Amino acid sequence: RKEVEQDPGPFNVPEGATVAFNCTYSNSASQSFFWYRQDCRKEPKLLMSVYSSGNEDGRFTAQLNRASQYISLLIRDSKLSDSATYLCVVNGDTGRRALTFGSGTRLQVQP
Amino acid sequence: SQTIHQWPATLVQPVGSPLSLECTVEGTSNPNLYWYRQAAGRGLQLLFYSVGIGQISSEVPQNLSASRPQDRQFILSSKKLLLSDSGFYLCAWSWGGSGNTIYFGEGSWLTVV
Repeated sequence: RKEVEQDPGPFNVPEGATVAFNCTYSNSASQSFFWYRQDCRKEPKLLMSVYSSGNEDGRFTAQLNRASQYISLLIRDSKLSDSATYLCVVNGDTGRRALTFGSGTRLQVQP
Repeated sequence: SQTIHQWPATLVQPVGSPLSLECTVEGTSNPNLYWYRQAAGRGLQLLFYSVGIGQISSEVPQNLSASRPQDRQFILSSKKLLLSDSGFYLCAWSWGGSGNTIYFGEGSWLTVV
């Protein structure tokens, strides 16, 4: 089983739509969770951290379900500029100071 | 503020040639440093990470190596490139401790021909 699993998509949605991505992780001891955004042929950039109680940043909402070991990202009122690949990120192994990245979910927002 | 610089941005190298990618971080001290690789259409694969000068941990056996000659400098090398080494190489840094946010450089596109 992969440490972090995501549906690769693509998710094709119209502008203004609400879209949600899920991600599952295998290590129940994981403590840190993030969503990164990666544009085509660019480096990943931090979108938001994910906190146990859930958190919101504008149109973006992240949730963590420790019991089921999954993380979600909700995007409301999608914009064309939201088109990108969204990477789910977990610190899968506390023995090393590195994060484990999912393969990403591609979102295409259409006019 | 902290910045990370990585170069070269793009390179095309023949099979069997050497490789050197360099990365420097500014505005912080004693960062954790990382090299990741992303093959076409694939996820990020951690290659090396370092928690201090001269301290390198390798994640995947391969013909690549990494060095950290100075606190904020991280170098990825190969003596002989393979076709399978083609990909997008990303240097990154984070503050000390486990599970902290990672910040990436702009990446280096390597094509081995």
